[in-house]
Amino acid sequence: SQQGEEDPQALSIQEGENATMNCSYKTSINNLQWYRQNSGRGLVHLILIRSNEREKHSGRLRVTLDTSKKSSSLLITASRAADTASYFCATVYGNTPLVFGKGTRLSVIA
Amino acid sequence: GAGVSQSPSNKVTEKGKDVELRCDPISGHTALYWYRQSLGQGLEFLIYFQGNSAPDKSGLPSDRFSAERTGGSVSTLTIQRTQQEDSAVYLCASSLETGLGEQYFGPGTRLTVT
Repeated sequence: SQQGEEDPQALSIQEGENATMNCSYKTSINNLQWYRQNSGRGLVHLILIRSNEREKHSGRLRVTLDTSKKSSSLLITASRAADTASYFCATVYGNTPLVFGKGTRLSVIA
Repeated sequence: GAGVSQSPSNKVTEKGKDVELRCDPISGHTALYWYRQSLGQGLEFLIYFQGNSAPDKSGLPSDRFSAERTGGSVSTLTIQRTQQEDSAVYLCASSLETGLGEQYFGPGTRLTVT
């Protein structure tokens, strides 16, 4: 079964607005990672947050992690049309490969 | 430096034929992963290789699927007697270490079984 589940499945916003995506998972983790996918092809790593971290920033990205609730959120501030993509969370535990959710499809309208 | 490359980028095959998909990981990356993504779905883990260890094949959906990694570098995913439900994008990724770090993905191979 898939570990990460993103919410919402789809999100449509205007350029300049903030976009928030959530991810829930089921078991313990070593870290949680967010990836972006354009046009159904290869994924690009965005940010990694370790299980002992609560918040992390990278440019316009802000990720939070709440291990007590087994959830994470990805915030994209001041969105741009180029941010239109699918966003996936993936979790790592022990020596097992990343387990991906189904993703959130973000559409940023200019 | 060069990223992960995959070939072919697109493959159309007839049901029942065998196909081979190739992945060239980033030089020096010891871990290599194969995933499958059906239309509008998330990534389904298939198999991963770590150095000289036995591969983790736990995600392979049937015995028609196999993969090998030669010389700790290039990997080939083989699907025998393809079925229409095998149609998907097959993604390869590599990383410096198994699991823990970020993975670098190739552009994928879009397989269509007619």
